[in-house]
Amino acid sequence: AQSVTQLGSHVSVSEGALVLLRCNYSSSVPPYLFWYVQYPNQGLQLLLKYTSAATLVKGINGFEAEFKKSETSFHLTKPSAHMSDAAEYFCAVSDPGGSNYKLTFGKGTLLTVNP
Amino acid sequence: GAGVSQSPSNKVTEKGKDVELRCDPISGHTALYWYRQRLGQGLEFLIYFQGNSAPDKSGLPSDRFSAERTGESVSTLTIQRTQQEDSAVYLCASSLWVDTQYFGPGTRLTVL
Repeated sequence: AQSVTQLGSHVSVSEGALVLLRCNYSSSVPPYLFWYVQYPNQGLQLLLKYTSAATLVKGINGFEAEFKKSETSFHLTKPSAHMSDAAEYFCAVSDPGGSNYKLTFGKGTLLTVNP
Repeated sequence: GAGVSQSPSNKVTEKGKDVELRCDPISGHTALYWYRQRLGQGLEFLIYFQGNSAPDKSGLPSDRFSAERTGESVSTLTIQRTQQEDSAVYLCASSLWVDTQYFGPGTRLTVL
């Protein structure tokens, strides 16, 4: 079974600082990989996705993530944090093969942005 | 356009009661998914519907859980004889393609 590990349940950065949220997955077959964001009292919103094209994926709101097969990682970054980035972020990976609709999520990382 | 909607937004019930949660997918989306999010945990896959194909029920945690979907429209998730460990946020998602799921706001279920 797939597993997703998000290092750090809570990350705090200053406004304007680099944001780095870590995600590692367990699979020898590169699946689809996703980052979702959840703002308070809202549903999950897709931030970006990797679907076996370019390894550096750009998403909304200035976020990007790099797929590194050798490290089984898909870390999320943003060069300069904004107050509006404060939210919970979830990394997810799809099952390989015919069940690629089935997503396994990490436990989430709560991002706090300090003024 | 309208997104995925779920009702109720909050549900408080007593242990042993049955509950029904509703999901309205985005119009035209053939795929529909249910997930469960327990406090401090990631989302857990419950069930997947695709058109008129047999659903993938492999994530349902027990036979107290069931879900139905009529065609490509509304879905209901039913939990019978609720237990305290069923307390969670239940999220529904829909998609046209498997690589982009659109999530609803969820139903927060509290079992007393």
